[in-house]
Amino acid sequence: EVQLVDSGGGLVQPGGSLRLSCAASGFTFSNYGMHWVRQAPGKGLVWVSRVNGDGSGTNYADSVKGRFTISRDNAKNTLYLQMDSLRVEDTAMYYCVRAVDVWGKGTTVTVSS
Amino acid sequence: QPVLTQSSSASASLGSSVKLTCTLSSGHSGYIIAWHQQQPGKAPRYLMKIEGSGSYNKGSGVPDRFSGSRSGTDRYLTISNLQSEDEADYYCDTWDSNTRVFGGGTKLTVL
Repeated sequence: EVQLVDSGGGLVQPGGSLRLSCAASGFTFSNYGMHWVRQAPGKGLVWVSRVNGDGSGTNYADSVKGRFTISRDNAKNTLYLQMDSLRVEDTAMYYCVRAVDVWGKGTTVTVSS
Repeated sequence: QPVLTQSSSASASLGSSVKLTCTLSSGHSGYIIAWHQQQPGKAPRYLMKIEGSGSYNKGSGVPDRFSGSRSGTDRYLTISNLQSEDEADYYCDTWDSNTRVFGGGTKLTVL
């Protein structure tokens, strides 16, 4: 079964850091680009970042550029999102997504003092 | 970069059909888009991709009641024989080499 399991969310103060993880199973992980997408409470889906299959190419939304870093470990079938200099407006559910067609269940990030 | 526009809400009766629209910005009419369903309190679920030609490819397990089509810059998701579990938010998205963009979503109410 194709599956993505997101983890690593939590409560953090403004200016703090968190690292999200997404464990993939049931498919050849390195064959797929991977994305992080977030959803603030009561709001719509917003793309955050993507990485290509071998990890050599990355892109970011302007709102997180310079603060977030996406990476992957194909030997561990795991996607990461390192989030630094967190802001209150980064509060959201964060989903990892395989290309277009498979979503994780999400992990909640709350930035608050 | 492309922009996707969706109506904020739609409603239809149980057992009827509804057609949701996702409109691509001018100059992006050939883009592939995807539709996703998000039931209340759940993660999004991929439904289908619609090619620039109008052909569509559904995800695994998506019922036959769901179909896709296009006209110009409009991409449609049609749901036939509406069921109560179809009450959800529906999002379209598209992408290019540098970015990915979601529409604002349509909240579908089944009456």
